[in-house]
Amino acid sequence: EAGVTQSPTHLIKTSGQQATLRCSPISGHTSVYWYQQALGLGLQFLLWYDEGEERNRGNFPPRFSGRQFPNYSSELNVNALELEDSALYLCASSFDTNTEAFFGQGTRLTVV
Amino acid sequence: TQLLEQSPQFLSIQEGENLTVYCNSSSVFSSLQWYRQEPGEGPVLLVTVVTGGEVKKLKRLTFQFGDARKDSSLHITAAQTGDTGLYLCAGAADSGGSNYKLTFGKGTLLTVNP
Repeated sequence: EAGVTQSPTHLIKTSGQQATLRCSPISGHTSVYWYQQALGLGLQFLLWYDEGEERNRGNFPPRFSGRQFPNYSSELNVNALELEDSALYLCASSFDTNTEAFFGQGTRLTVV
Repeated sequence: TQLLEQSPQFLSIQEGENLTVYCNSSSVFSSLQWYRQEPGEGPVLLVTVVTGGEVKKLKRLTFQFGDARKDSSLHITAAQTGDTGLYLCAGAADSGGSNYKLTFGKGTLLTVNP
């Protein structure tokens, strides 16, 4: 069974540009979570999608947004990139919000 | 805001040694999870502890949840090079265990040298 897959693995962008990160959850999982793992800050919750709807978001500015598609895959968009957005972005999926969440390998975003 | 402090931040030991890493908070958590994250990978769940004083064992790893459910420890016996990685603890604030409500510590980076 395939795990959570994220693409691309690495992404390099310039300040002010937009980045799009993609996530395919484990088959059968409808909940998708996005986390930011910045150096020295630990995992910070970004967004939670379930059944195509945004259910909750963490303490991040509106330029962090996303969506979940009918097949439950998800996309994270970061607009007007700043140097501080450089981090590993992790996607996780679960059958529902109370069952174990499985993480993908992450997308390393570097803003220069 | 609930915070989880992990210590030590870095730990480098020789193969065969024992070690303990800690996860502390001033807040009470309904459950606490431990993850291991290897370079280039996402975190992998090792264990969830839910009852104050609970001890769980996973081969050479022993996890303990504090009586007051504010702290936890992970003890590794006879460490192996394969134990190398970032160990993260994450606490759930309520009994619903909602994944998005997890508070993560910054982790302990363990290096086991041959």
